[in-house]
Amino acid sequence: AQSVTQPDIHITVSEGASLELRCNYSYGATPYLFWYVQSPGQGLQLLLKYFSGDTLVQGIKGFEAEFKRSQSSFNLRKPSVHWSDAAEYFCAVGGAGSSNTGKLIFGQGTTLQVKP
Amino acid sequence: ETGVTQTPRHLVMGMTNKKSLKCEQHLGHNAMYWYKQSAKKPLELMFVYNFKEQTENNSVPSRFSPECPNSSHLFLHLHTLQPEDSALYLCASSPGTDTQYFGPGTRLTVL
Repeated sequence: AQSVTQPDIHITVSEGASLELRCNYSYGATPYLFWYVQSPGQGLQLLLKYFSGDTLVQGIKGFEAEFKRSQSSFNLRKPSVHWSDAAEYFCAVGGAGSSNTGKLIFGQGTTLQVKP
Repeated sequence: ETGVTQTPRHLVMGMTNKKSLKCEQHLGHNAMYWYKQSAKKPLELMFVYNFKEQTENNSVPSRFSPECPNSSHLFLHLHTLQPEDSALYLCASSPGTDTQYFGPGTRLTVL
């Protein structure tokens, strides 16, 4: 079955500390992978995406993610968190190539709280 | 990108009302989507349209009726809703086989 798991429902980090949000996926074909961020009452904003090539991808706001095929993971990282990063983060997977139906499967989200 | 707009941003309606949500995109995308986001639940895909044709209906109750008159506009017509339909309704668009771009959502409350 196709699925995305974000094991951490809620994470709290101190401002300036490093951050890693976990994402594991199950997908029967070559995946496209995405991270989105949602501030309260807002829509989802794309942080970064992986389609192919370099497995370490850079995104907006200083975020990066690494695709590890052997671990079926696409973890999101940031070296130094800012208070404005407090939000909900969603990992999503879609199909590449002929498996692409335009549909995305989303994880349940991780809520990030930043302590001053 | 901020090319997907949704109106209204907030809507309160009674169970006997009829209302419509509107989504508009000026990104030249050919695919549009409706999602429902309830508290403590993953995003639920409701409908998918490609080139104005509905290609996905994810077992959505008939009290939700989508309409896609052209590739830039998507509506969600609501009638005789239930309180459990209260949620954030998100619209998204994509070039069809690529990244989805989301609007800000409509916060719907059904009394």
